[in-house]
Amino acid sequence: EAGVAQSPRYKIIEKRQSVAFWCNPISGHATLYWYQQILGQGPKLLIQFQNNGVVDDSQLPKDRFSAERLKGVDSTLKIQPAKLEDSAVYLCASRQLVGGEQYFGPGTRLTVT
Amino acid sequence: DAKTTQPPSMDCAEGRAANLPCNHSTISGNEYVYWYRQIHSQGPQYIIHGLKNNETNEMASLIITEDRKSSTLILPHATLRDTAVYYCIVRVVGYSSASKIIFGSGTRLSIRP
Repeated sequence: EAGVAQSPRYKIIEKRQSVAFWCNPISGHATLYWYQQILGQGPKLLIQFQNNGVVDDSQLPKDRFSAERLKGVDSTLKIQPAKLEDSAVYLCASRQLVGGEQYFGPGTRLTVT
Repeated sequence: DAKTTQPPSMDCAEGRAANLPCNHSTISGNEYVYWYRQIHSQGPQYIIHGLKNNETNEMASLIITEDRKSSTLILPHATLRDTAVYYCIVRVVGYSSASKIIFGSGTRLSIRP
């Protein structure tokens, strides 16, 4: 079975620019997550989708971060404008609606200069 | 905040059993103990989980104390490929936001030849 796909794998931008990350979850997985992982720390949940609805976005900095999952499959995470402290790995994960484990993608490493 | 406490680092000789401890003294009756690991430059990978009984799969064994306040992940024959950060997590199982994973800093396990 194909895993969670993410692109790009690496991105370097200057502060105040915008950036978008894409995630394609495992087929049939209704729940999708975006995490931010700063170097040396564990991943931190940014947003959780169930199909195309948001379940939890309490940790998402909504003044600059946005995410969508319009058709309940693929998802995009956007940062606009980026700050230096947004440098991190952005991980996408998915799982089945009920039960099952989270499967993580390889992540996108963002560097803001 | 994470509900678990783990040593920041451990090492183990290749071929020996690696025993990774985790304290979760405030665990609730409906919370499971989960273990994930993250190999360098990859997303976290599910290892094993349990409620109160000991569990074993092809990757590892999980020993949970009778009072459920601590657990130990056992990698029976550690190899160099087991070098990773290991996360111990407690969570409810379901599809609401209450089932989200909160990662701590984990234990960095180094396997020496």
